[in-house]
Amino acid sequence: QSALTQPASVSGSPGQSITISCTGTSSDVGGYNYVSWYQQHPGKAPKLMIYDVSKRPSGVSNRFSGSKSGNTASLTISGLQAEDEADYYCSSYTSSSTFRVFGGGTKLTVL
Amino acid sequence: EVQLVESGGGLVQPGGSLRLSCAASGFTFSSYEMNWVRQAPGKGLEWVSYISSSGSTIYYADSVKGRFTISRDNAKNSLYLQMNSLRAEDTAVYYCAREWVGATNDYWGQGTLVTVSS
Repeated sequence: QSALTQPASVSGSPGQSITISCTGTSSDVGGYNYVSWYQQHPGKAPKLMIYDVSKRPSGVSNRFSGSKSGNTASLTISGLQAEDEADYYCSSYTSSSTFRVFGGGTKLTVL
Repeated sequence: EVQLVESGGGLVQPGGSLRLSCAASGFTFSSYEMNWVRQAPGKGLEWVSYISSSGSTIYYADSVKGRFTISRDNAKNSLYLQMNSLRAEDTAVYYCAREWVGATNDYWGQGTLVTVSS
């Protein structure tokens, strides 16, 4: 069981927007603005999409945005494109002994 | 260009040992903290271990504590993971990842597969 809870799957049609949630506790997501989101295509390494809850690294499309409310962080992808179909993982710093936690991952299907 | 290249994976019997390496290039390795993250077949990402830039601070996931040892050689721009007492549940692709701001991993290697099986 992952420390952070994500929906197993979400789907949307091209052009639509989707949101993936990531729920933790006050020891991780809720306690720090250190939430990151990663995109992973099959057989590839994860790619950083969002850091510090809502910041985008250079080169990442502005269709990707992040936010947080309480113990739940969210990744929103607007204007869905076929290339967005992938697995998405959230991650957070944690004050517990585990130091770093990941969500279980969400499979995004573009219909 | 930042590059992280893992090596050392393979097939090992339960109870055996393996040493993974990660060769870094394209950045000042000695200035960055590093991590190992693994992914079991068909499963999600699991953080394994962290090491500070000097090697003085180290953390491990509870699942590997006492069995795995992370280390680095800044002169060789290399990160290592010594894995002992391996179990079937350690079977995974192991990634090395550079630590960036806010507990984030901004660059990842391509991964190396470790299979623990008799």
